Amino acid sequence: GAGVSQSPRYKVAKRGQDVALRCDPISGHVSLFWYQQALGQGPEFLTYFQNEAQLDKSGLPSDRFFAERPEGSVSTLKIQRTQQEDSAVYLCASSLLGLATQETQYFGPGTRLLVL
Amino acid sequence: GDSVTQMEGPVTLSEEAFLTINCTYTATGYPSLFWYVQYPGEGLQLLLKATKADDKGSNKGFEATYRKETTSFHLEKGSVQVSDSAVYFCALSPGGGATNKLIFGTGTLLAVQP
Repeated sequence: GAGVSQSPRYKVAKRGQDVALRCDPISGHVSLFWYQQALGQGPEFLTYFQNEAQLDKSGLPSDRFFAERPEGSVSTLKIQRTQQEDSAVYLCASSLLGLATQETQYFGPGTRLLVL
Repeated sequence: GDSVTQMEGPVTLSEEAFLTINCTYTATGYPSLFWYVQYPGEGLQLLLKATKADDKGSNKGFEATYRKETTSFHLEKGSVQVSDSAVYFCALSPGGGATNKLIFGTGTLLAVQP
């Protein structure tokens, strides 16, 4: 597609529910990133994929968070047993190669998650 | 660890005023530096970047110079417009690793009044 797309755009979950957030990166982009943005804060890194390989998951806040990219394109971020502190905007970004620090990351519009 | 500190907002300016948004960083390696902008209702988009010391990034009248001696990357524009109203994020990408993750500051809201 023309840009990074994410779905759903908004998600309301009851505490304890599982949620799945989808990211469609720009076609052909090798690298995919997930970030979490709390209200009034900058995005914080969660995890990184190069093709289907998850090379860095150091930012995942707990073992309730799980991400996958099985075919090296679409990615899903899953949050199990959601808690109120998980309420945030979840951003997905992709870049063409990802091997160079100066490469531009292209961001999707984000999924706003509200846990009640 | 690596981090970015940027001036708190909101910054309120009149149209055609001069803009400076301060950004300083802490990094152990040789990072690349970025400014991203988020317009109301839109996603983050790259505004400009610099990859090594003394580089100047520029776009849409905005400029920022990578200053290693002061570990700074301040954003400037000579004459702001109402359409520049947005949240501006300073970010760095650490060098030398397999993950080119971005580390962001907290963002600065700019409001330009006509």
